[in-house]
Amino acid sequence: DAKTTQPTSMDCAEGRAANLPCNHSTISGNEYVYWYRQIHSQGPQYIIHGLKNNETNEMASLIITEDRKSSTLILPHATLRDTAVYYCIVRGGGTSYGKLTFGQGTILTVHP
Amino acid sequence: GAVVSQHPSWVICKSGTSVKIECRSLDFQATTMFWYRQFPKQSLMLMATSNEGSKATYEQGVEKDKFLINHASLTLSTLTVTSAHPEDSSFYICSARDPDGNTEAFFGQGTRLTVV
Repeated sequence: DAKTTQPTSMDCAEGRAANLPCNHSTISGNEYVYWYRQIHSQGPQYIIHGLKNNETNEMASLIITEDRKSSTLILPHATLRDTAVYYCIVRGGGTSYGKLTFGQGTILTVHP
Repeated sequence: GAVVSQHPSWVICKSGTSVKIECRSLDFQATTMFWYRQFPKQSLMLMATSNEGSKATYEQGVEKDKFLINHASLTLSTLTVTSAHPEDSSFYICSARDPDGNTEAFFGQGTRLTVV
């Protein structure tokens, strides 16, 4: 699976949009981009994933560049409860669904 | 989404004893579950893949005789840390594949193990 690069930490004001970038320049054609987050002392929570089209769900939006070498997770109206470590993961298909390689992630701090 | 539950949420044990952690899929059947370990201020590291009815597949560097995995039913996988030592103190997390053919994984809430 392709390696990802994320900033170590980011800050965001409550109510503003949080834009979390991820670089995955070695991504291959059949690999998806997944985002998970982990609130302190809890298990990771699935947020969203995509292949090449932009995706949106009730939690967030995922913007993938046309060359697929980078993506941005957008939390449109961040709240204090969105403070967490956000992981960008790239993985392919096959039978190992659910087998994920976690990087260091981005520590997002939402402040009042 | 699917629900995965771990038990216990935290446990303290003495050095040399064994501890069993359960991972259950509450509303679906999981033929495959995954076990991760997370040390303080570090990311999750995959330990092993648990397969229902067959032997687990361990990642490189993980001792299979120390971390015993049993996946005897479609809703339960257990991880037993044998002869625990303080360096085994960690946050253990399991996950299971989405059963509906989608590709996201669902995680348990994690188990905090402290070996004293």
